[in-house]
Amino acid sequence: EAQVTQNPRYLITVTGKKLTVTCSQNMNHEYMSWYRQDPGLGLRQIYYSMNVEVTDKGDVPEGYKVSRKEKRNFPLILESPSPNQTSLYFCASSSFQGETDTQYFGPGTRLTVL
Amino acid sequence: RKEVEQDPGPFNVPEGATVAFNCTYSNSASQSFFWYRQDCRKEPKLLMSVYSSGNEDGRFTAQLNRASQYISLLIRDSKLSDSATYLCVVSPSGGYQKVTFGTGTKLQVIP
Repeated sequence: EAQVTQNPRYLITVTGKKLTVTCSQNMNHEYMSWYRQDPGLGLRQIYYSMNVEVTDKGDVPEGYKVSRKEKRNFPLILESPSPNQTSLYFCASSSFQGETDTQYFGPGTRLTVL
Repeated sequence: RKEVEQDPGPFNVPEGATVAFNCTYSNSASQSFFWYRQDCRKEPKLLMSVYSSGNEDGRFTAQLNRASQYISLLIRDSKLSDSATYLCVVSPSGGYQKVTFGTGTKLQVIP
């Protein structure tokens, strides 16, 4: 089954404790992206990757890191989480075929930073 | 002005009604446009891409108006299962790099 998986699905942590949210896709997609969703602000792009070892900043990259060492994985790293990073996070992937692309989203990770 | 703007709603419509949403975008160089559907705090799912000539998929019709910089979504014969938030998505290129999501329009179809 084609899917994007994220782990963990729920996480409560404390300020400053480094964490990683994993994202994996089994569709051999070149493109992967991370978003955060906050009430009233919608989904905002954090980072995206066009392929292995190619990453770029989205609209809200501050406080986040990513890496793309393998095509299927795109982990999101919070080196020193702060309460303003409490949010719902989505990973997504797509092939790169222009206006007919479908972007597949993972189920989301609900992060609370105390 | 926001890059992508949508009326948040909610739009409360009876079953069988026709409802239309608009989404305006500010970047005239935008190339790709999509409508996504999101059920309560679940992952968004692609409803349809929006082509320059307009396109239809069953009860759903999407239109693009480049001159006025907006896209629209028309839903005919609304079903209870259409209740969701509809997200407008705009990209400056073919694909999803530097993509911008609208905040969504909530639709509630009432029996």
